[in-house]
Amino acid sequence: KAGVTQTPRYLIKTRGQQVTLSCSPISGHRSVSWYQQTPGQGLQFLFEYFSETQRNKGNFPGRFSGRQFSNSRSEMNVSTLELGDSALYLCASSLNYYEQYFGPGTRLTVT
Amino acid sequence: KQEVTQIPAALSVPEGENLVLNCSFTDSAIYNLQWFRQDPGKGLTSLLLIQSSQREQTSGRLNASLDKSSGRSTLYIAASQPGDSATYLCAVMQGGSEKLVFGKGMKLTVNP
Repeated sequence: KAGVTQTPRYLIKTRGQQVTLSCSPISGHRSVSWYQQTPGQGLQFLFEYFSETQRNKGNFPGRFSGRQFSNSRSEMNVSTLELGDSALYLCASSLNYYEQYFGPGTRLTVT
Repeated sequence: KQEVTQIPAALSVPEGENLVLNCSFTDSAIYNLQWFRQDPGKGLTSLLLIQSSQREQTSGRLNASLDKSSGRSTLYIAASQPGDSATYLCAVMQGGSEKLVFGKGMKLTVNP
C-alpha cells in the first residue's frame, strides 16, 4: 500500500511570508504527527492529531499551527516565516499508539 | 523530561563487521521504542519497534533489544554492508501521547 506522502517536497520562501505543508497518511491511519528536523536541534515534535483533534503540541510558537481533516489528511501552517524556520518538516502516521511511518519530508528554505 | 542519548555520534567500520548501536533514555516509563534509519536528505524508515513488554525484536540482519529498567536499547547489525551506511535514530514513546522523543542519531559509514 502507498506510504505517507508530503507535498510539496521543496519550498523556498521569504521572511515574513506564510507557508502551508500537506501530509496524506497511510490509508487507514487516523493518527498524524509533525516534526521539525534541523542540524542543530535534531528532530523536534510539533503536534499530533487524531480524528481531527489535536492531542498534543510541542514547544513551538503560535506561528506554527496545524489541522486534520475528516479523511485524516493533515496540514501545517507557519506564519510570519523566520530564517530559523528553515528545516526539514516530517510527517508521520500510525494506527494509534503503534509503529510510526514517516513521509519523505518537505524541505523549507527561508531567505 | 525524557532525554534520549546515542553515543557515539558517528562510526566508521569496514564491511563485514558486526555492529552494536547504543541508545539510552532517562525515563523508563515508556510505551515503546522504535529504531529508524535516515539516508541523507530523506525521511525516516522504520526498522524495528519494541513494545515496553518485549525484550527484543528481529528483522533480517537486525536485532534490537530493550532493557526498560536500565533505560537502554541496543541495535545489532550483523555482517554490515556498504548499503547500511546511514544515520540511525532511536526514539521513545511515552503513554498518553504519540509524541516520539528522538536521540541525535548515529551516523554509520561502512567502507567496502
